[in-house]
Amino acid sequence: DIVMTQTPLSLSVTPGQPASISCKSSQSLLHSDGKTYLYWYLQKPGQSPQLLIYEVSNRFSGVPDRFSGSGSGTDFTLKISRVEAEDVGVYYCMQSIQLPAITFGQGTRLEIK
Amino acid sequence: QVTLKESGPVLVKPTETLTLTCTVSGFSLSNARMGVSWIRQPPGKALEWLAHIFSNDEKSYSTSLKSRLTISKDTSKSQVVLTMTNMDPVDTATYYCARILVDSNYVDYWGQGTLVTVSS
Repeated sequence: DIVMTQTPLSLSVTPGQPASISCKSSQSLLHSDGKTYLYWYLQKPGQSPQLLIYEVSNRFSGVPDRFSGSGSGTDFTLKISRVEAEDVGVYYCMQSIQLPAITFGQGTRLEIK
Repeated sequence: QVTLKESGPVLVKPTETLTLTCTVSGFSLSNARMGVSWIRQPPGKALEWLAHIFSNDEKSYSTSLKSRLTISKDTSKSQVVLTMTNMDPVDTATYYCARILVDSNYVDYWGQGTLVTVSS
């Protein structure tokens, strides 16, 4: 199984300030089809996860442009340019190169200062 | 409108078998572009994928839990069923069913989840 490792595990950010979360996979997520199967989800308190970013850097429909994803191979980053109160929750990276055996990172809890 | 809804017992005893049902609407379980997975989340912990069923009835299981899991579907009823044998308190978790787009490789819709507690 591919292991996904996120850092940090928690973040406390002042509104309007940036935030960054790292995700490393135990093996490359670059598929022979040229796509990299790395995704970012946000689980808001009391809710099911919601997709933010697909294939490393593509924002899902309706996701604000303050969210951006980058990376390649085994190292990936989610950035929030200006944190807002509604961004509170737990962020997960997920790999699906071995679909359907998807795996998630441990999660990064974002709180507002 | 796509929805998935989990149902099943809220409390099971150790050693018992858990049976959960996911009822879907807004899409067909025979659609080759889609499949349904079960994913769980112990309280305060991370998400863990358990099992998946494709439209052609092909099944896949978590390596660590394979011996305890069975997934099946009834396309006419729009239901996916997960059974997990020999339940233990460490299996206490919120269990989600989720739709996966097979050609896009991601979960696009999740159920609301159902909390299952394992206790005597």
